[in-house]
Amino acid sequence: EAGVAQSPRYKIIEKRQSVAFWCNPISGHATLYWYQQILGQGPKLLIQFQNNGVVDDSQLPKDRFSAERLKGVDSTLKIQPAKLEDSAVYLCASSFQYEAFFGQGTRLTVV
Amino acid sequence: GENVEQHPSTLSVQEGDSAVIKCTYSDSASNYFPWYKQELGKGPQLIIDIRSNVGEKKDQRIAVTLNKTAKHFSLHITETQPEDSAVYFCAIHDGSNYKLTFGKGTLLTVNP
Repeated sequence: EAGVAQSPRYKIIEKRQSVAFWCNPISGHATLYWYQQILGQGPKLLIQFQNNGVVDDSQLPKDRFSAERLKGVDSTLKIQPAKLEDSAVYLCASSFQYEAFFGQGTRLTVV
Repeated sequence: GENVEQHPSTLSVQEGDSAVIKCTYSDSASNYFPWYKQELGKGPQLIIDIRSNVGEKKDQRIAVTLNKTAKHFSLHITETQPEDSAVYFCAIHDGSNYKLTFGKGTLLTVNP
């Protein structure tokens, strides 16, 4: 069974630029999560989808972050414009019911 | 809202010793408690989980215990090996919307 796929693995951008991350969840998983993990901290939930509907986006900085999940499968997370404090690993996870499986993440560095 | 506290933040043990990591939570509606292991440069990997109707679960050298009354759960690793060195995260599930909230992590170092 293929796992959660994320791309790119690494991205370096200048502040005020935009960036997008892509996630392909495990087939059949209705729930998709985007987490932000700052170095040395636990993953922080940014947005959670159930199929293509948003369940929770209470911690998503909506003035600069946006996410969508087309047709309830793949998802993209966008940051525009990026700030220095957005430097982190962005993790995508998916689940069928309880067990959530993570991708390898995208390491974003904003300079 | 959901809150989970994890202790200790760092733990160093000798190979062969046991390691215990504890988490407490506040939301009594939480009904699923997974533990994740994260190695450098990788995403978190589920290693064991427990549902609220069970008090203990064991898988080889790893066990998890749950006390719903006291709202705490623990990860126990016996006969630790150097390859157990990683960051371990506890998490709680809200039981309704499948929202998963993580603790801040424990850096476990197993010294050979």
